[in-house]
Amino acid sequence: EVQLVESGGGLVQPGRSLRLSCTASGFTLGDYAMGWFRQAPGKGLEWVGLIRSKAYGGTTEYAASVKGRFTISRDDSKSIAYLQMNSLKSEDTAVFYCTRERRHGSGSYYPDYWGQGTLVTVSS
Amino acid sequence: QLVLTQSPSASASLGASVKLTCTLSSGHSNYAIAWHQQQPEKGPRYLMKLNSDGSHTKGDGIPDRFSGSSSGAERYLTISTLQSEDEADYYCQTWGTGIVVFGGGTKLTVL
Repeated sequence: EVQLVESGGGLVQPGRSLRLSCTASGFTLGDYAMGWFRQAPGKGLEWVGLIRSKAYGGTTEYAASVKGRFTISRDDSKSIAYLQMNSLKSEDTAVFYCTRERRHGSGSYYPDYWGQGTLVTVSS
Repeated sequence: QLVLTQSPSASASLGASVKLTCTLSSGHSNYAIAWHQQQPEKGPRYLMKLNSDGSHTKGDGIPDRFSGSSSGAERYLTISTLQSEDEADYYCQTWGTGIVVFGGGTKLTVL
């Protein structure tokens, strides 16, 4: 059974950093791209970014709203994907979800499994 | 600009069927989308990927009550024999070069 478990959320002051982890089980992390999404309180879903598998270069892509502040990485040997968040703002307050990404024929990706989420609150 | 449009709400009776719509913006009618369900206080769940020709790939364990279809720029999710646990938010999602876009979601109420 595929499982994704996020951890590392919590209360953080504006301008500070936080690292989220996504521990995967039930599949080989190295075979898949992994994504991060978020959902602000009472709002819809928003894409944060993704990291491709090593077979596709291990490259990353980010939403414009987080580019330059957030970094996605992976440790396939530990089956963990990470989201490093720097220079956090109050508008980053959200539940953050990690996803397993399935490759579309065009070379894009879409999530086929979601974690349960971890809440990040940015406030002084 | 790649945009997905969904009605904010829908309702149907227990045991009935409902068809939710997701509309792709002009010039993007050949795009595939994905449907995701989010039950109250839970993380989303992938339902299916839906291509422009109506073919779809469902997620693991998704009941046969859930099906997808397409017509032009419209992508549909049909849920038959509605159950109480189908009351949820339903999001469509698509992707382009370096971007991922969600519709605003449809809140489905099962009466």
